[in-house]
Order: sequence, then structure tokens, then C-alpha cells
Amino acid sequence: DTEVTQTPKHLVMGMTNKKSLKCEQHMGHRAMYWYKQKAKKPPELMFVYSYEKLSINESVPSRFSPECPNSSLLNLHLHALQPEDSALYLCASRGWEGTEAFFGQGTRLTVV
Amino acid sequence: AQSVTQLDSHVSVSEGTPVLLRCNYSSSYSPSLFWYVQHPNKGLQLLLKYTSAATLVKGINGFEAEFKKSETSFHLTKPSAHMSDAAEYFCVVSPSRTITNAGKSTFGDGTTLTVKP
Repeated sequence: DTEVTQTPKHLVMGMTNKKSLKCEQHMGHRAMYWYKQKAKKPPELMFVYSYEKLSINESVPSRFSPECPNSSLLNLHLHALQPEDSALYLCASRGWEGTEAFFGQGTRLTVV
Repeated sequence: AQSVTQLDSHVSVSEGTPVLLRCNYSSSYSPSLFWYVQHPNKGLQLLLKYTSAATLVKGINGFEAEFKKSETSFHLTKPSAHMSDAAEYFCVVSPSRTITNAGKSTFGDGTTLTVKP
């Protein structure tokens, strides 16, 4: 199984809502990533988890809260988002540095 | 430190003609290099990778890339474009193997490939 599965595929939320994005992989990868991608732009790194510990936070606002419950799961908790947070959110995993990252299909988030 | 420059933001070709997407990189160590393709509202799919083995790398869907250290380039080619190749392409550089198993990849700004019938 070489898939990274993200749910939901689409999400519309109000600025006062709380929602969560979920990412799952069963490749035994110990590094997992959240990216944000705006239209016509490359993905921007948000967070990196290595061995289930947060190793990189790219100065992301606290309204985004990552969580890694176990080595296969990665969540992104969303609260009080702004319309400019609307984007495609991508999850990825990697087995070892220098090897390729596997990306999920993304969650298209719209904040209204 | 590392960086990636995709030299063309848009490339337009006719179906059946060759494709060339250009990528230059800089890195203070031996990097790993990747090309990914992204179709609209989809995730990124790996086309091919260079990880210090053969300099001519073959990927999926007929794509190839050649790692040229002297030119710090990793250009992507395909002999004959197909309509389904129309997409966004990203060149990515990553640190080679480290102990920490995590780190930052650097993405190019992307090249939009249009294929005309």
C-alpha cells in the first residue's frame, strides 16, 4: 500500500467553526508533513512530524493545530479560520530523507 | 542551503511534439532531486527521482530527466507529448540522507504545461 489517504476531500467551514483534517498512511513512514497550497503556487510547508514528534513548525498561526496520535495518523485541527486560509491542504509522508515523499489527494478547504 | 529555479512558468507544446521543462538547483551538499506532476485539484504524483545513482533517470509515462552536476540542472523531457500530460510540474530538491529523517524540501515555483491538439 503506497497511498496517503486524506479526509475529507472537500470542507466548507465558517469562521467560528472547529473542524479537523485527517491523514493516514500505512507504509511505515516516520516523517509526515502538512502543506498548504494556494492556486498556481507550490505547496508551502506548515508542519513536520518525525517519529511522532513535531520537529518543524513554519511559524503557522495557532488557529492551525497539528496532532500525531500514532505513526500512521496525522491530524490538523482548525479553529477560527479566516477566509484567506482557504486552500488545498496536502499531507505527505516519507520513509527517509533523500527519498521521495508520497502525497495525499488533498483537502479543498473553503472558509466562509 | 538549497534552492530550485524552474526556468519557465508556462510551456505550450503540440500533441506529439517533445516536451522540455527546465530546472536548475543549488545545494551545499549532494541533493536528491525529484519531479512531481499535479493535475487540477489533485495531490502531487512522483514522476521520477535522482538519488545519486544513474544520472539519466527514467520515470513514469515516458518522462526522463538528466542530472548534470556541472550545470546544476535537472531538466525533464518527454519525446512525444500527450493531451493527458497537461498539468502543473514541480521540481523539488531535498537534503540527502540525514540522521533526523525529517527536513525541508524546496519546491520550484512550478511550470504549467499546456498541450495543444
